[in-house]
Amino acid sequence: AQTVTQSQPEMSVQEAETVTLSCTYDTSENNYYLFWYKQPPSRQMILVIRQEAYKQQNATENRFSVNFQKAAKSFSLKISDSQLGDTAMYFCAFMSRSGGGADGLTFGKGTHLIIQP
Amino acid sequence: DGGITQSPKYLFRKEGQNVTLSCEQNLNHDAMYWYRQDPGQGLRLIYYSQIVNDFQKGDIAEGYSVSREKKESFPLTVTSAQKNPTAFYLCASTQGYEQYFGPGTRLTVT
Repeated sequence: AQTVTQSQPEMSVQEAETVTLSCTYDTSENNYYLFWYKQPPSRQMILVIRQEAYKQQNATENRFSVNFQKAAKSFSLKISDSQLGDTAMYFCAFMSRSGGGADGLTFGKGTHLIIQP
Repeated sequence: DGGITQSPKYLFRKEGQNVTLSCEQNLNHDAMYWYRQDPGQGLRLIYYSQIVNDFQKGDIAEGYSVSREKKESFPLTVTSAQKNPTAFYLCASTQGYEQYFGPGTRLTVT
């Protein structure tokens, strides 16, 4: 079984600053996906970014990028030029490829990110 | 519009009653999931179904039951055996390696 750990329950930064959210995971598998999901106050889960473990290049989506360190089992999310709309819960999640992705996601407990004006 | 619908958004029940949460998708996805979210706990997998008429227990299946009679529908029943049923419940479906989530149902049992 795999576990996902987010060690920062809450973070607060000023608007326009850069912030990094940490995530570590534990698995014996070699092929998997890692995700960051955003959950705003509406509670709708929104996919922010996805990383395939077999790809060495770090994924990037506009202001969001990851630092994927496979050997260290670390998967941090960097948000550049933070905006008020980035205020949300952020969840790190793991998906095994062994079941074709159909076994579901394993989530961390989340980090509550607050962007201050 | 394609997507996942969950109804109702808020649900209230008395202790000892079974309650069924609805989840419907028109994305033609094969796999569907139910997660439970508690404060400070993240999301935990209750049940999942990879095809019609088949489903598997997740990490916290005790006190819950599901059915998958149609590809589009995956209802979750919270039984009276579930000791702490008050929570936020999220339904999801998957095509490939991306999960799509519904808007959730907040269940309160008193």
